Amino acid sequence: DQQVKQNSPSLSVQEGRISILNCDYTNSMFDYFLWYKKYPAEGPTFLISISSIKDKNEDGRFTVFLNKSAKHLSLHIVPSQPGDSAVYFCAATGNQFYFGTGTSLTVIP
Amino acid sequence: NAGVMQNPRHLVRRRGQEARLRCSPMKGHSHVYWYRQLPEEGLKFMVYLQKENIIDESGMPKERFSAEFPKEGPSILRIQQVVRGDSAAYFCASSPVTGSRVTDTQYFGPGTRLTVL
Repeated sequence: DQQVKQNSPSLSVQEGRISILNCDYTNSMFDYFLWYKKYPAEGPTFLISISSIKDKNEDGRFTVFLNKSAKHLSLHIVPSQPGDSAVYFCAATGNQFYFGTGTSLTVIP
Repeated sequence: NAGVMQNPRHLVRRRGQEARLRCSPMKGHSHVYWYRQLPEEGLKFMVYLQKENIIDESGMPKERFSAEFPKEGPSILRIQQVVRGDSAAYFCASSPVTGSRVTDTQYFGPGTRLTVL
């Protein structure tokens, strides 16, 4: 039972444009959400997080939006850079971490 | 400050053999998590440990899998009598003790890629 879903397995964006990665979850008890970035042959690295009491958190080029009523989370990267090309996992926490299946982002120079 | 270390990075086993995966957390971290990533799937939680104590093993298969985090030394994920379906990337993460394990940032190791022939 996949409680956190990333329905787009891949996304391609031109350099300088906005990348929007989406994530849906099913459990309304989740209270903390995170995005991780993963390069090939490396472990995931923490990118940005948001508490369920907020609807937006911004850190430089990265902004996470949370829509609790829709149980939807998104990560915006602007402007996108070629070095952003990686797999992005969203995660949600209740009593444990639940990860999505990942979205592979390719930023085209 | 070294990050989370896992070894080996690649492990090949034949069906029926045992696999031992090691994880050394970041300095100062006393919480360790193990995750498995099967091909085409996301990371799935397996087990959460503190030193000498298993806190949550709800994601561990009931048979053949075990984990420990001794007082001294790395955390070990042990898979007995491996089968082809165990082939996956196994990631370990560690976090510091701040009192809220669900919000503590987890720092991941590079993973161990297990291939069962």
